Amino acid sequence: GNSVTQMEGPVTLSEEAFLTINCTYTATGYPSLFWYVQYPGEGLQLLLKATKADDKGSNKGFEATYRKETTSFHLEKGSVQVSDSAVYFCALTEGGGKLIFGQGTELSVKP
Amino acid sequence: NAGVTQTPKFQVLKTGQSMTLQCAQDMNHEYMSWYRQDPGMGLRLIHYSVGAGITDQGEVPNGYNVSRSTTEDFPLRLLSAAPSQTSVYFCASSSRGPLGQGNSPLHFGNGTRLTVT
Repeated sequence: GNSVTQMEGPVTLSEEAFLTINCTYTATGYPSLFWYVQYPGEGLQLLLKATKADDKGSNKGFEATYRKETTSFHLEKGSVQVSDSAVYFCALTEGGGKLIFGQGTELSVKP
Repeated sequence: NAGVTQTPKFQVLKTGQSMTLQCAQDMNHEYMSWYRQDPGMGLRLIHYSVGAGITDQGEVPNGYNVSRSTTEDFPLRLLSAAPSQTSVYFCASSSRGPLGQGNSPLHFGNGTRLTVT
């Protein structure tokens, strides 16, 4: 079946450092891919998405490119801020409103 | 804009008790779903619905029931609570999307934190 694998956390960075969170997937067909972010005590919010191979999703300085050849959708940001501290989830859609999530990666950014 | 509303925010149950977690959305979304979030396991799909009157099981359906009598509401029922059901529960909704494939992003509620003792 379909699955998503994320790098394990927690990830601790200093402010203004470069961020990469790895995400790889296994899927049949051509799923849409998403990154969601969860701030403490809140639900998940969509961060960015990509719907086909080579698409680049971007939002709030975060980027991820849908790489079909490596089945990857790594999240990157050039300069993180303390306010980016959260848990990040990679996910793929199976259609019908269903998502398969990775296990989540906790990011902590120190001033 | 209310979006997806879940109640209650917190609940403590004793083993064997039953309860219903409420979920309502005001976006006229066709799809609704319930996930549970456990440490190190991400979110796992419990049940989902593609429209009023239609529900189906997800990855971890045992011990839970759902119904979808209206487009807006999708309650989750715990029949006989067990400590293994201690978790944070999220309800989500989404539209069919422009291609009708149900690949649109999900909108999440803020969750219900359930503890079963």
